[in-house]
Amino acid sequence: EPEVTQTPSHQVTQMGQEVILRCVPISNHLYFYWYRQILGQKVEFLVSFYNNEISEKSEIFDDQFSVERPDGSNFTLKIRSTKLEDSAMYFCATTDGGGAQPQHFGDGTRLSIL
Amino acid sequence: AQSVAQPEDQVNVAEGNPLTVKCTYSVSGNPYLFWYVQYPNRGLQFLLKYITGDNLVKGSYGFEAEFNKSQTSFHLKKPSALVSDSALYFCAVLSSGGSYIPTFGRGTSLIVHP
Repeated sequence: EPEVTQTPSHQVTQMGQEVILRCVPISNHLYFYWYRQILGQKVEFLVSFYNNEISEKSEIFDDQFSVERPDGSNFTLKIRSTKLEDSAMYFCATTDGGGAQPQHFGDGTRLSIL
Repeated sequence: AQSVAQPEDQVNVAEGNPLTVKCTYSVSGNPYLFWYVQYPNRGLQFLLKYITGDNLVKGSYGFEAEFNKSQTSFHLKKPSALVSDSALYFCAVLSSGGSYIPTFGRGTSLIVHP
């Protein structure tokens, strides 16, 4: 079964540094999402992306965050200047349609800010 | 606005016994409801969904869920639990007439004892 692939699996970064988290969606999927999960708790929506632009974003997704699909394959989440509270698991998810289609999640990137 | 409540942080059940993981929701409009499972160090994995039709929905690994409109509930059930079912379970909802971004519950840890 096709999978969503995320790299790296674990990223350790100094506070204030920039990080880029990468996701390779399932090939025929068109809708992309980023979520974060702190300490195995609630899954929080960050941003959705369709047709090369942001569809929706949450209050968490402030000016420090950005997303892009630089090469038509990878889907990236960039945090410009990391804060301690950005430490979390970050999940990429994709679907082949909007609406009621279930989301396919990658295994996440554990981001640790020191 | 849409919301999901999973009232139990943890559910304990003996192997072979039936299990129920509870979920209630609130949406304006008709709900689309989902259950996902998360194993340690993995992403969320889709189990089943309710869109319309029969209130009893069957999904992966022998799980099923019952949609109850009057009680605004969508409890996850399995007739006979396995130790391997031990994981974190998330209920999610989105409104058919609103944003296609699901809201996830806080998760329920299911522990199946041998």
